[in-house]
Amino acid sequence: ILNVEQSPQSLHVQEGDSTNFTCSFPSSNFYALHWYRWETAKSPEALFVMTLNGDEKKKGRISATLNTKEGYSYLYIKGSQPEDSATYLCASVKAAGNKLTFGGGTRVLVKP
Amino acid sequence: DAMVIQNPRYQVTQFGKPVTLSCSQTLNHNVMYWYQQKSSQAPKLLFHYYDKDFNNEADTPDNFQSRRPNTSFCFLDIRSPGLGDTAMYLCATSSPLTGSVSPLHFGNGTRLTVT
Repeated sequence: ILNVEQSPQSLHVQEGDSTNFTCSFPSSNFYALHWYRWETAKSPEALFVMTLNGDEKKKGRISATLNTKEGYSYLYIKGSQPEDSATYLCASVKAAGNKLTFGGGTRVLVKP
Repeated sequence: DAMVIQNPRYQVTQFGKPVTLSCSQTLNHNVMYWYQQKSSQAPKLLFHYYDKDFNNEADTPDNFQSRRPNTSFCFLDIRSPGLGDTAMYLCATSSPLTGSVSPLHFGNGTRLTVT
């Protein structure tokens, strides 16, 4: 993996269902992995910053895991609600620099 | 509340007519970034400042310039916009105290349309 890639690009989820999606990133010189939620007409909002292999973070119904050896992170949404509808962006950081490289995002639409 | 503010929210400019986008922050963060996001693509870093130190990405066109007159303000100047510069431009800040594990704080973005 040379770039940060997110899949799927978009997904529709029924209200109440749980879902998850993937961020793949280069595992060499890994330093940190960021997740952001970007709702329409708002600014992207930080969800998690993860650094350690095996790290798991949770914020309400949203959680994330990190595998730095194989270069992927999963974001989980449990019991999706319409307010979870947003684009979820991940970004990786190499070697303690200031530069974040973003993926293209996963657009989530939760249908009532 | 401390925040990052971008102006204007929407900007329409003509092909070749210079345009300036502005970003201000009340967070007192040392690092400020400009990202460009074209439709459904990944936000792409154009440049960033660490205090007054300017860091340009290798593939950022010369047409794009930036100024940071003080800690609070940062400007993106597009000298001769082309149709391909139509995009969302995002400004973000971060604190260097915790380095790259510090999350970015974004503004609402400026949606630029070049006609």
